[in-house]
Amino acid sequence: DVKVTQSSRYLVKRTGEKVFLECVQDMDHENMFWYRQDPGLGLRLIYFSYDVKMKEKGDIPEGYSVSREKKERFSLILESASTNQTSMYLCASLTQGATDTQYFGPGTRLTVL
Amino acid sequence: AQKITQTQPGMFVQEKEAVTLDCTYDTSDPSYGLFWYKQPSSGEMIFLIYQGSYDQQNATEGRYSLNFQKARKSANLVISASQLGDSAMYFCAMREGHGSARQLTFGSGTQLTVLP
Repeated sequence: DVKVTQSSRYLVKRTGEKVFLECVQDMDHENMFWYRQDPGLGLRLIYFSYDVKMKEKGDIPEGYSVSREKKERFSLILESASTNQTSMYLCASLTQGATDTQYFGPGTRLTVL
Repeated sequence: AQKITQTQPGMFVQEKEAVTLDCTYDTSDPSYGLFWYKQPSSGEMIFLIYQGSYDQQNATEGRYSLNFQKARKSANLVISASQLGDSAMYFCAMREGHGSARQLTFGSGTQLTVLP
């Protein structure tokens, strides 16, 4: 079974703080993704990575950066958190094959005060 | 234009009955994949079913089936014999082409409530 874990289920931070969200997968997948989920908007892609140290912007990268130093770990960084970054953050890892299915972690609900 | 459209923000179904959740998509790519995910209140996104654009038959996985109508660009999820545990948010998603990173585009979701 694919296992994707995220460092926190709930996180509360203050405006201006630097925030790290960590995601780890145990299946040696090359592709990993960060989404944010907001009511009525579905999931929107922030960044993705297709290999170690490789990254590409998704649809809404502004205010975020990422780091992929090891294959199993993909970190999302909020350099200076703002209240409009209060959201649910979901990490996914891709199993490549006939269907190329993304498997998700449990999510981190971030509140920025 | 929206690439994935889910027109039902909320749906109700009686336990043990079947329910259809609608999804339409928009793409000019001949090669694409369609996915359905379930998100219970706990927050985790659970993969349910996949349909490839070249698949001749509708996908099925247990009580889940995908009603794929390519000409109409629709990929509706059918859940048979609904159970209380099926109450959740359901998302339709699409992957286009053979991009290196296999990105998904999601619809806005349908909240399904199963009534006892």
